[in-house]
Amino acid sequence: EAGVAQSPRYKIIEKRQSVAFWCNPISGHATLYWYQQILGQGPKLLIQFQNNGVVDDSQLPKDRFSAERLKGVDSTLKIQPAKLEDSAVYLCASSPILRAGGDEQFFGPGTRLTVL
Amino acid sequence: ILNVEQSPQSLHVQEGDSTNFTCSFPSSNFYALHWYRWETAKSPEALFVMTLNGDEKKKGRISATLNTKEGYSYLYIKGSQPEDSATYLCAPKNTGNQFYFGTGTSLTVIP
Repeated sequence: EAGVAQSPRYKIIEKRQSVAFWCNPISGHATLYWYQQILGQGPKLLIQFQNNGVVDDSQLPKDRFSAERLKGVDSTLKIQPAKLEDSAVYLCASSPILRAGGDEQFFGPGTRLTVL
Repeated sequence: ILNVEQSPQSLHVQEGDSTNFTCSFPSSNFYALHWYRWETAKSPEALFVMTLNGDEKKKGRISATLNTKEGYSYLYIKGSQPEDSATYLCAPKNTGNQFYFGTGTSLTVIP
């Protein structure tokens, strides 16, 4: 079974530039998550999708971050414009279905973003 | 935002030692607790998903317990091996569907 795919693996941009990350979850997984992990901190949930609908985006900085999952499969996360404090690892994860207790999440390799 | 605390922040043990870490979280509106292991240069990997008070789960030399009434979970590693070196993350989920990771415990097992 193929795992969660993410691209790019690394990205370096100047502040105020835009950047987009892509995630392809495990086939058949209905729930998709985007996390931001800043050095020294735990992963912070940015947005959670169930199929192509948003379940939770309460911690997504909506003035600069956006995410979509148009066909309920792969997803993109965009930052526009980027700030220095956006430097982090962006993790995508998927799980089979949103149900009581929560399913274990399967993580991709992450995208390491450096904003200069 | 859930206040999730993990202790200790880091730990160095000798190969063969047993060790344990703590995850503390708000007991109100508890729904589930996840434990993940994150090795350097790899993706986080799920260890356990626990939902019931008193739950105890085991995978090989690693086990975990859950106390939802007082809001804590323990992760135990028996006979630590160098390949156990990783950051161990806990993530409670509440009935409001909020899911927060702790900052993790970084374990280094010295051969």
